Amino acid sequence: DGGITQSPKYLFRKEGQNVTLSCEQNLNHDAMYWYRQDPGQGLRLIYYSQIVNDFQKGDIAEGYSVSREKKESFPLTVTSAQKNPTAFYLCASSILRDTEAFFGQGTRLTVV
Amino acid sequence: QQQVKQSPQSLIVQKGGIPIINCAYENTAFDYFPWYQQFPGKGPALLIAIRPDVSEKKEGRFTISFNKSAKQFSLHIMDSQPGDSATYFCAATPTSGTYKYIFGTGTRLKVLA
Repeated sequence: DGGITQSPKYLFRKEGQNVTLSCEQNLNHDAMYWYRQDPGQGLRLIYYSQIVNDFQKGDIAEGYSVSREKKESFPLTVTSAQKNPTAFYLCASSILRDTEAFFGQGTRLTVV
Repeated sequence: QQQVKQSPQSLIVQKGGIPIINCAYENTAFDYFPWYQQFPGKGPALLIAIRPDVSEKKEGRFTISFNKSAKQFSLHIMDSQPGDSATYFCAATPTSGTYKYIFGTGTRLKVLA
């Protein structure tokens, strides 16, 4: 089945730790995205990538980093510099700029 | 900053009612307007989408109305069912060439049985 796989589904982070969220897609999409979802704030763009080895900052990139070494993979690292990382993180991909974006099932990150 | 404003924040209707969710944008340079449906703990899924050369689009019980001059678009759900209870997001993609989906803040819909 084609789709986007995010892992893990739940992730707990201690203060001061970096954690990496995985996102893999087998849809052969060029573009991939990371969004953060908080209650009442919709989906806010963290980073996006239009092509391998290239990515752009979104609206809330501070405290996050990404890489795009393979077309299928777009991992997100939440660094210790992100002061309020507890949120639901969603990865998405699309063929083109103005076509459907397909979302993964999300990773819920909690700081303990 | 480009924005898409969505209202209402929450909505409760009786089964069979027609909830309407509205979105407005502040930048004319958008060319694709999708609506996403999200159930708790899941990722959003595309429900229906429209482009600005069309004023209305229907898919099953879901209809998008688009008013280009007013920079507004809305989602209507006909004969709503309890299974439609979810959060709905409107979105828009800018024509600038950057790969961005600008999302509204979401509407939590509850359909009472």
